[in-house]
Amino acid sequence: QVQLVESGGGVVLPGRSLRLSCAASGFAFSRNGMHWVRQAPGKGLEWVAIIWYDGSKEEYADSVKGRFTISRDNSKNTVDLQMNSLRAEDTAVYYCARERGGYSSGSDALDLWGQGTMVTVSS
Amino acid sequence: QLVLTQSPSASASLGASVKLTCTLTSGHTSYAIAWHQQQPEKGPRYLMKVNSDGSQNKGDGIPDRFSGSSSGAERYLTISSLQSEDEADYYCQTWGTGIHVVFGGGTKLTVL
Repeated sequence: QVQLVESGGGVVLPGRSLRLSCAASGFAFSRNGMHWVRQAPGKGLEWVAIIWYDGSKEEYADSVKGRFTISRDNSKNTVDLQMNSLRAEDTAVYYCARERGGYSSGSDALDLWGQGTMVTVSS
Repeated sequence: QLVLTQSPSASASLGASVKLTCTLTSGHTSYAIAWHQQQPEKGPRYLMKVNSDGSQNKGDGIPDRFSGSSSGAERYLTISSLQSEDEADYYCQTWGTGIHVVFGGGTKLTVL
């Protein structure tokens, strides 16, 4: 079954860290760029980060640059998001998403989404 | 700066058709976009990619009732024979070098 399953969400104090993970199955994971997208409560979708299909490059939204790190393990079919120095405004459902196509990144639509994992940053 | 503009809301009757619009900022009118559906309390679902020439690439299992088209800076999603489960938020999305990924603000579709 082609799917993405996120895990690792929870409630965390401001300034602390959290690591999200996304497990992929049913497709050739190492061919696709992978993204994290978030959605604050009652708000729209906000792109967070991309990692190239081979892990050679990462890019981030300005709102998380320097605090979040995306990584992937193509041998385990997983993509992670390490979130440091968390703020209240990082509170959101975090989705991992696959980029359409293969052997390219940052150049096509997102065509597969996970169900999301909730991150709440609160004291 | 690339911005995607969507009307916040739309409504249509059960069994009718509705056409949602996503407008690209000037200077970016050749960009392809994707449409995503988000039903209440669910993650987004990819519907299709719509190119500037109106051609489309649908996701697996997307019914024929969903179709895309294009005219100038506008990209459209038409849903025919509306069903209750089509009541959802619809987001358009685009991408590009140095732009990364951009989403429109979303349109909340109500099926009357």
